[in-house]
Amino acid sequence: EVQLLESGGGLVQPGGSLRLSCAASGFTFSDYAMNWVRQAPGKGLEWISGVTISGGSTYYAGSVKGRFTISRDNSKNTLYLQMNSLRAEDTALYYCAKARGSAVAGNFDSWGQGALVTVSS
Amino acid sequence: DIQMTQSPSSVSASVGDRVTITCRASQRISNWLAWYQQKPGKAPKLLIYTASSLQSGVPSRFSGSGSGTDFTLTISSLQPEDFATYYCQQDNSSPLTFGGGTKVEIK
Repeated sequence: EVQLLESGGGLVQPGGSLRLSCAASGFTFSDYAMNWVRQAPGKGLEWISGVTISGGSTYYAGSVKGRFTISRDNSKNTLYLQMNSLRAEDTALYYCAKARGSAVAGNFDSWGQGALVTVSS
Repeated sequence: DIQMTQSPSSVSASVGDRVTITCRASQRISNWLAWYQQKPGKAPKLLIYTASSLQSGVPSRFSGSGSGTDFTLTISSLQPEDFATYYCQQDNSSPLTFGGGTKVEIK
C-alpha cells in the first residue's frame, strides 16, 4: 500500500523559512516523479512544484518560483520542500503527491494527508 | 499558463441523478486531463486520467470524455458517497493547473 507522510508544517512568521518532508513507502520511490500541491483554507487545489525521478529537473508555479526549492533523496525515499521568504498567502495545507508515472507533467494517483503551514505574525 | 474553468461551481442533486460537470481549458491540451474527487478533510482522489481512463478501483458510474479544450465528468447515477467537490487538472504542460472545483451537494 502506498503511503505518503508529510511532516515539518507549523506556524512561521512572514519572511521566515520552513522545510517540509514527505516520507514515502509501499512503492519504488525512484521510479516516479513527485510533486507538491497546496490548498489554502476553503480554497481549491494549486500545484506548486514537481521533480523528476532522478531529481535532476525541477518545476515550479510562478507563485513560488525563486522562493521554494523541491528536492528528493531516493536513498531515503523522501521528498522535500524548502520554503523561504514565506508570505501570508502561502498559508495552506501542503500535500505530497505521487505522479502516476515518471513524468512530472502528469497526474497524481496517491496523496499524503497534508502538512499545515500557517504564515502569521 | 493554461487556465482551467469548471462549471457549474456547485450543483444540487439527488441520489440516482445523472450529474455532468464541465471543464474548459484556455488552450488545446489534447486529452491530457484528469479528474479528482475531494471529500471534506480528506486528500483528493484520482478518478479519471487522460480524459476518459478510469483509475483502478473507481466505480464505473464515473466517466470522462472530451479532448482539445472541452471536457466532461459524468456520474451516471449519483450515490450518497459521491457528494464531494470535484476538480479537473490539465497535465499537458507545466505549470500544471486545476479548475476551481465543483461542489456536488445533496438536494
